[in-house]
Amino acid sequence: NAGVTQTPKFQVLKTGQSMTLQCAQDMNHEYMSWYRQDPGMGLRLIHYSVGAGITDQGEVPNGYNVSRSTTEDFPLRLLSAAPSQTSVYFCASIRDRERARTGELFFGEGSRLTVL
Amino acid sequence: GQQVMQIPQYQHVQEGEDFTTYCNSSTTLSNIQWYKQRPGGHPVFLIQLVKSGEVKKQKRLTFQFGEAKKNSSLHITATQTTDVGTYFCAGRYSGGGADGLTFGKGTHLIIQP
Repeated sequence: NAGVTQTPKFQVLKTGQSMTLQCAQDMNHEYMSWYRQDPGMGLRLIHYSVGAGITDQGEVPNGYNVSRSTTEDFPLRLLSAAPSQTSVYFCASIRDRERARTGELFFGEGSRLTVL
Repeated sequence: GQQVMQIPQYQHVQEGEDFTTYCNSSTTLSNIQWYKQRPGGHPVFLIQLVKSGEVKKQKRLTFQFGEAKKNSSLHITATQTTDVGTYFCAGRYSGGGADGLTFGKGTHLIIQP
């Protein structure tokens, strides 16, 4: 199993550009989520999904969209990038929605985004 | 919203010294997890504590959950260079949305050989 795979690993955007961060997991996990990590801020939840076709907002959702058409994939879209979205983005999953409140997060390796 | 305070933000130790990081919540947690992130890496799950007063050990790492389930600590005995990284606690609150996890800001462990 590859676990949680994120692409790209690095990306530089100009203000106003759009892009999609890809996340795929091969563990058949129901629950998937996106976090951003900024220096001194810990990890903050952007959006999450408890299964295909179901998404919801986390703590910092503004400027981001998500969709969950399959169990495996959970892309994060930046509609119009801003310098404040410069961050490291992590995709993470938990085995099933029932365990979403007790299970541990499996993280991808991260996508480092710079917005100029 | 709920907050988990984690201290210290940075800790410099000589190799072989002990290290402790603390997490504190103003309200009761349903459980707490600990993660380690190596420099340039991603967070990796270490352990979960659920019961009041629970103590768990992993080799040189000792994890504690307070009696009131509002605080937790991670203690590393005789640090090694492989312990370098950032340690995060993540607390869960009853009724919290999503995975219910609120992360502390992390403690960066820096080891001088």
